[in-house]
Parts: sequence; C-alpha cells; structure tokens
Amino acid sequence: GAGVSQSPSNKVTEKGKDVELRCDPISGHTALYWYRQRLGQGLEFLIYFQGNSAPDKSGLPSDRFSAERTGESVSTLTIQRTQQEDSAVYLCASSLESGRYYNEQFFGPGTRLTVL
Amino acid sequence: AQSVAQPEDQVNVAEGNPLTVKCTYSVSGNPYLFWYVQYPNRGLQFLLKYITGDNLVKGSYGFEAEFNKSQTSFHLKKPSALVSDSALYFCAVRDWDDKIIFGKGTRLHILP
Repeated sequence: GAGVSQSPSNKVTEKGKDVELRCDPISGHTALYWYRQRLGQGLEFLIYFQGNSAPDKSGLPSDRFSAERTGESVSTLTIQRTQQEDSAVYLCASSLESGRYYNEQFFGPGTRLTVL
Repeated sequence: AQSVAQPEDQVNVAEGNPLTVKCTYSVSGNPYLFWYVQYPNRGLQFLLKYITGDNLVKGSYGFEAEFNKSQTSFHLKKPSALVSDSALYFCAVRDWDDKIIFGKGTRLHILP
C-alpha cells in the first residue's frame, strides 16, 4: 500500500475484555514501532521491531500488553483485560532502516481505543 | 538513557512573525534528531531530521532547524508563520540503541 494502515480506526470495548490492534507497515520497511498517545499527551513508546532481531519491549506498560510481528510485515498489538486507563490512540509507524543511516518514520492514522 | 525535552507546552505567534519551537536533548552518543508535526485530525508527519553535516537543516513547509551541539538543542524555526502552521509539534531523538524517543509535544497557535 501507499502508507501505513491500521485497523480498526476506532474500537470501543468493555473493561476486562481483550483487544487486538493491527498495523500494516509500508512494504519493505524493516522497522516497526508502536506508540500510545493519551488525550492531550505526547507519544509514549511501547515496542520496536527491527527485522529478525528480538523486539525491544521496554516500553510496554504491563504484562497485559504484548505485540507480535510476522516477518517484516503485519504487526498485532494485543491488550488483555483492558482497563479504562488503556483508553488512548495507538499509533504504528514504520521506517526503512539501512545500516546507520536513520530514516524518518511513517505513521499510520492510529486506532482510537475507548475502554468503558 | 536518551531523552528529549520540549520546555513549552504552547507557543503563540502572530501570523507573519518568525516562530521558534524549542527542543533540547540528552544522549550518550551522537544524536539523530527529528521533528514531526501532527495537524488536527491527521496523522503524524515527518518535517526534517539531523543526522550529520550542516547544523542548519531545511525541511517541509518552509521549516528549518538548527542543531547546536554545545547547547544540546535542536530548535525548530520558520521565518514567517502561517495560520495553517497551527498544529502539535514533536521533537524526537534516536540513540545508539535505535529506540526513538519523542518529546511531549508543543502546541503552536498562529494568530491571524
């Protein structure tokens, strides 16, 4: 596709339910990032995938959060037993990494998660 | 650990005046610095980056940023602000461990 896509665009769920958020990066982009943006706040790093390396999970806020990536394509962010404080926009970004030449990230439109 | 600070939550500038959005950083190695913009109801967009070379970096929409190593700053600038520049601006830094850290963002209001 032309850009990073995310689905669903909006998700409303009840407290305690599990949710899955999907990200389709730009084809050929080896790096993929997940961020969380609470209302009126900045971007909070969650997790980073780079090629076949072990992902950097240091930003995941609790063990209720997990993410997977299939090769260099689709990624899924899963939140188990959702809490109201999980309500936020979840942003995915991808970039083309080439050695030490760091390229800009391309962001998806985000998934707005509301936990009732 | 690397970090980036945007000391101003909000900046107000009259249309036509020069604007500056401040960013300072802290990294253990050579910094790789970025600016992104988030327009209302739109996704984040890349504006410009500093990797190496000239300290003055030019980017999209007439924006530029000056890398100052001694002051560990990477302020975003534009000579003449437009109302359409009103948006949320994020500074970001990338360190040797490849993780990109974003600042909290600065909301820029251009007053007509």
